[in-house]
Amino acid sequence: DTEVTQTPKHLVMGMTNKKSLKCEQHMGHRAMYWYKQKAKKPPELMFVYSYEKLSINESVPSRFSPECPNSSLLNLHLHALQPEDSALYLCASSLPGPGGYTFGSGTRLTVV
Amino acid sequence: KNEVEQSPQNLTAQEGEFITINCSYSVGISALHWLQQHPGGGIVSLFMLSSGKKKHGRLIATINIQEKHSSLHITASHPRDSAVYICAVRYNTDKLIFGTGTRLQVFP
Repeated sequence: DTEVTQTPKHLVMGMTNKKSLKCEQHMGHRAMYWYKQKAKKPPELMFVYSYEKLSINESVPSRFSPECPNSSLLNLHLHALQPEDSALYLCASSLPGPGGYTFGSGTRLTVV
Repeated sequence: KNEVEQSPQNLTAQEGEFITINCSYSVGISALHWLQQHPGGGIVSLFMLSSGKKKHGRLIATINIQEKHSSLHITASHPRDSAVYICAVRYNTDKLIFGTGTRLQVFP
């Protein structure tokens, strides 16, 4: 298995909703990432988990809450989002050190 | 100023043309990635380079560590190559630093 699987592919949520994005990989990668990408812009790093521990939080608002239950799974819990949070949310994984990155196909989130 | 500069920002080509996209970065890196993103789609990793040259099908990527420069070449371009091509570098951390991307359109 050489993929990063993200679910759901599309999500529409209201500003008072709570939802979660899920990311899964079975490549034995020990680093997992959440990126946010707005239209026509490069991805912006949100969080990095290394060996299931949060190693980087790029000053992301607390309405985004990451979780890494095990080495294969990464979640992003969403609560009280704003319309400007609408974006493509990408998950990625990699081996430690200068290894290759594998990206998921993303979850397109719309906040209404 | 972005640490990773790509050129050109936009590129149009006729089917069959040879295409080159350039990437420059400012300090030493552990690896450089070339990524492809189709409109509305996720990101696909094309190459990871730390030295030399790699080839996959019609795609060729080169890197010159001394000059801090990499190129992505597409031979015999095809309309399905139309996408955004992103250069990203990795220093001695887990973070990728992305270029602003090159939007390629190949017309039949």
